[in-house]
This record gives sequence, C-alpha cells and structure tokens, in this order.
Amino acid sequence: GESVGLHLPTLSVQEGDNSIINCAYSNSASDYFIWYKQESGKGPQFIIDIRSNMDKRQGQRVTVLLNKTVKHLSLQIAATQPGDSAVYFCAEKANYGGSQGNLIFGKGTKLSVKP
Amino acid sequence: DAGVIQSPRHEVTEMGQEVTLRCKPISGHDYLFWYRQTMMRGLELLIYFNNNVPIDDSGMPEDRFSAKMPNASFSTLKIQPSEPRDSAVYFCASRPQQGIPSSGANVLTFGAGSRLTVL
Repeated sequence: GESVGLHLPTLSVQEGDNSIINCAYSNSASDYFIWYKQESGKGPQFIIDIRSNMDKRQGQRVTVLLNKTVKHLSLQIAATQPGDSAVYFCAEKANYGGSQGNLIFGKGTKLSVKP
Repeated sequence: DAGVIQSPRHEVTEMGQEVTLRCKPISGHDYLFWYRQTMMRGLELLIYFNNNVPIDDSGMPEDRFSAKMPNASFSTLKIQPSEPRDSAVYFCASRPQQGIPSSGANVLTFGAGSRLTVL
C-alpha cells in the first residue's frame, strides 16, 4: 500500500518468532479499538478488536492487549509468518466532537518478516 | 458479497483536470466513508455519509473536493481542478449501523483503493 515508506516505524522479525506491535492512542474516552492489516496494494483489513472494559482479547495467532492507564494498545502475533508482512494500524473509536462513532487511525507500523 | 468496490484502481492525470473516483459500498451498510492515504499523513478521513446524507465533511481539504451519494449503492469523490499534492491512495469504506462495540458493527470494510497520480 502507499502508506509503506520511510516514515513508518518498522519492525523486523524472523519467521517463527513472535511479533509485538505497539500503539498509543489519544483519548481516554475512547471505548473501542481495532487493529487493521494492510498489505501492499490493498485496503486495510480487520484483524481483531477490543472493548475498553477488557484488557486482553485473543484471536487466531493474534492477541490484543489494552492498557487504559497509559493509553497503550499492542498487537501480538504468534509464530510470525511471511504472509504477516504488512503495515499494521491501530484505530480508536471516537466518542467526542463531530467524529462520534468514527474510527481514528494511527500512523501504522511496518512489519517485515525475514525467512 | 463482493465487498466494497472502487474504481478506477489507478488514475494518472494532469494538473487542472477533473478526477472522479467511484465507490459501491457493501449492500445493507448504512455508513460510507472516504479516506485519503499518503506516506506523510497516513489515513485521513475526508467525509462520511449516513443513509446517503453527508454527516461530517470537515476532513475535505478544500473546495476543490466534493463528494456525493445519490443512492445507497453508489458514491463519488470528485476533485476539480486536481493538483499534484492530491496524489494519494483514496479509500472508500463502509459499515453497518453502529451497534454494540465489539459486535462487528463498528468495523469498517475497506475497498482496494484508487491510486491517484496528478502530474
């Protein structure tokens, strides 16, 4: 995708290792968070979500952790595979101002998996 | 469902020309969003519609940009006149009526994007 570039934080991991992608969100009133994956030339795709009343949620090979105290979100990918190479975005659901209910996206992190 | 359909996938045009990007949302989705993605700014919300009505266009850069949604299955984003700084990937996304968080109702489904290059 066009978001991949020199300005993005990059995480490089070995195939088979676990990956941890971090995200800081902006508003303590946000009550819902989503992780998206964007592969080159494609639109963002939903991975996993979490509500603010939870601190952990697991999916298939992915886990999202939420720390509301420090407004931090992380995505853990177990046994990272080459197909996981992509840009990962966190998004928070706004509950304020004119954007109530809409998603606000972070800048993204590029994950590169070495075979 | 074929997902969110955008056209064209790629557009190369000259400065000053009119550009029209098209989007077909997922059937039954009440919300439609237009985003712009660049390396410098990431994903920016331009405008969104609810039941074909524009709700928030505060992200539209300037008057050269306009968006319409004449019916539930079609939306356009128009740039007239286009400028080189408009070069970006433009995404359309849709979702159903907002529901309980984590029920899936807040999840945006994105199209594949329209890559615009203005020379």
